[in-house]
Amino acid sequence: GENVEQHPSTLSVQEGDSAVIKCTYSDSASNYFPWYKQELGKRPQLIIDIRSNVGEKKDQRIAVTLNKTAKHFSLHITETQPEDSAVYFCAASLDGGSQGNLIFGKGTKLSVKP
Amino acid sequence: NAGVTQTPKFQVLKTGQSMTLQCAQDMNHNSMYWYRQDPGMGLRLIYYSASEGTTDKGEVPNGYNVSRLNKREFSLRLESAAPSQTSVYFCASSEHWVGNQPQHFGDGTRLSIL
Repeated sequence: GENVEQHPSTLSVQEGDSAVIKCTYSDSASNYFPWYKQELGKRPQLIIDIRSNVGEKKDQRIAVTLNKTAKHFSLHITETQPEDSAVYFCAASLDGGSQGNLIFGKGTKLSVKP
Repeated sequence: NAGVTQTPKFQVLKTGQSMTLQCAQDMNHNSMYWYRQDPGMGLRLIYYSASEGTTDKGEVPNGYNVSRLNKREFSLRLESAAPSQTSVYFCASSEHWVGNQPQHFGDGTRLSIL
């Protein structure tokens, strides 16, 4: 089955710097890659997702890149702000079938220092 | 719209007790999911219901049962609670199971088993 590895487990940056979180996946047939943000004590919330027919997607300060050949995808946050501090989870899934469920990485705790 | 609502928010049980976690969504979604979240482990799927009338095991189903009561409600039951089941439980829903639909999470139930 699918396995998703996420690095680093913790990341500390200064306000205004960029942050990059990387994930690798094992099943080359996976074709959907969402990112979730979870603030302390709250629910995971989808912040951006990408499908395998797209190499990059941007939404304001957030971008995700996908390299299908290497089987990895990354979250990029530019101009970080203290409110970006949270745990970020990547996930991967195959569209339907027995592998249709999301498999999550173990999370990255991002701390943005003012 | 409330989205995904979970009850209770907190619960303390003794080993061997049983309880049911409730989940309801008001987004007319077809698919619903139960996850557990443990420190450093990310989100792991316990059971899912791809559509009303169907349920299937996820990654960590042992010790749990589920019921898809109707399209809105999906409950998780612990028949004989064990300390290893101490965790934060999240319910989620998506419009469909196929088609790479984003999942929307509830606020979670924090369960401690003594």
